[in-house]
Parts: sequence; C-alpha cells; structure tokens
Amino acid sequence: KAGVTQTPRYLIKTRGQQVTLSCSPISGHRSVSWYQQTPGQGLQFLFEYFSETQRNKGNFPGRFSGRQFSNSRSEMNVSTLELGDSALYLCASSTTGGRSGGGYTFGSGTRLTVV
Amino acid sequence: AQSVAQPEDQVNVAEGNPLTVKCTYSVSGNPYLFWYVQYPNRGLQFLLKYITGDNLVKGSYGFEAEFNKSQTSFHLKKPSALVSDSALYFCAVTSKGDSSYKLIFGSGTRLLVRP
Repeated sequence: KAGVTQTPRYLIKTRGQQVTLSCSPISGHRSVSWYQQTPGQGLQFLFEYFSETQRNKGNFPGRFSGRQFSNSRSEMNVSTLELGDSALYLCASSTTGGRSGGGYTFGSGTRLTVV
Repeated sequence: AQSVAQPEDQVNVAEGNPLTVKCTYSVSGNPYLFWYVQYPNRGLQFLLKYITGDNLVKGSYGFEAEFNKSQTSFHLKKPSALVSDSALYFCAVTSKGDSSYKLIFGSGTRLLVRP
C-alpha cells in the first residue's frame, strides 16, 4: 500500500512569507501528527489531528497552524516565517494515534529553508 | 514529564562487531518505548517497540532492544553491524497530551559502521 506522502519535498521561502505543507496519510489512517526536526532542538511535536479535529498541540507559537480534511489529508501552515523555522517537517499517520506509537508511519518530510 | 535521553551523540563500530546504542527513560507509570531509524533526507522508520511482556524485543533488520526497568534503560543492540546500518537512531516514548498521545524523542545517536 502507498506510504505517507508529503509535498513538496523541498521549499525555499523568504522571511515574512507564509507556507503550507501537505501530508497525505496511508489509506484508512485517520490520525496525522506533525513534527519539526532541527539540529538544535531535535524532533519536536507540533500537533495531531484525528477526524478533522485537533486533539493535541505542542509548544509552538500561533504562527504554526494546521487542519485536516474529510479524506484525512492534512496541511500545516506557518505564517510570518522566521529564519528559525528552517527545518525538516515530518508527518506521521496512524489508524487511531493511540499510545502504541509503533503504528505511526512517517513520511519523508518537507525540508523548509527560510532565507 | 516523560522524557528519554540518548547519552551518546555518535557511536562508531567496525562492521561485523556488535553494536549498542543507549537510551534511558524517565516516565510515570508503565513506559511505551520505541526505536526509530532515519537515513539521510528520509523520514523515520520504525524498528521496534516495547509495551509489555518479554524484556528482550526483536525488531526489523536484525535489531533488538532490552528493556531494563531497574536501570530505566532501553538500549538498542545488534549482534553484527553492517555498513548499511549507518544512520541516525532515535529512542522515543509516548506521552499523553490533551486528548491523545504524542511521541517524545531523544536527541538522536549517529551510528557509523566502518568497513
């Protein structure tokens, strides 16, 4: 079966702009989580959506937002980009997003560079 | 708060030798622990998980991990390393958020297997 698809793979944006990243989960998976990976902070949880509802949110400013559509595809948006937002953004899908995280499948990520 | 620590930034081993990548955890209650691997410019791949039961967990690509409750450790091991095992390894634990779970990752350990 198809894996988790993240688009685009690479993105270069200018400070102050906004960006939208997309994640298509595995068919049948209803939970989508987003993580930010940077060399300094490592992997940090952004938020999780399940059946179009945000169930969990990490400690990121309000410039970071997301949504999920009825087909479970998810988007995350970052407004007013800062240099520090440069990172690899990973999404993970699972059937229910439960405690047994082994059910999470990660996409290859979107590498965002802010200049 | 739930957390995991990976004390080594990098581990170097010769091909054919056994390898160990260390992870310690700090959680309340029973931990759900995981290992993921990341190859360059790729997402995270699930290796194995411990939820309950046998303390020795076997996973993908010949990796295994030993859960030690008294030492609060969950070290990743492989009897004979391959050059192709060179990658970034993350230990993780699930943590309860607002109304669902999220993965809390360690800082990562880079494994370098030399021929």
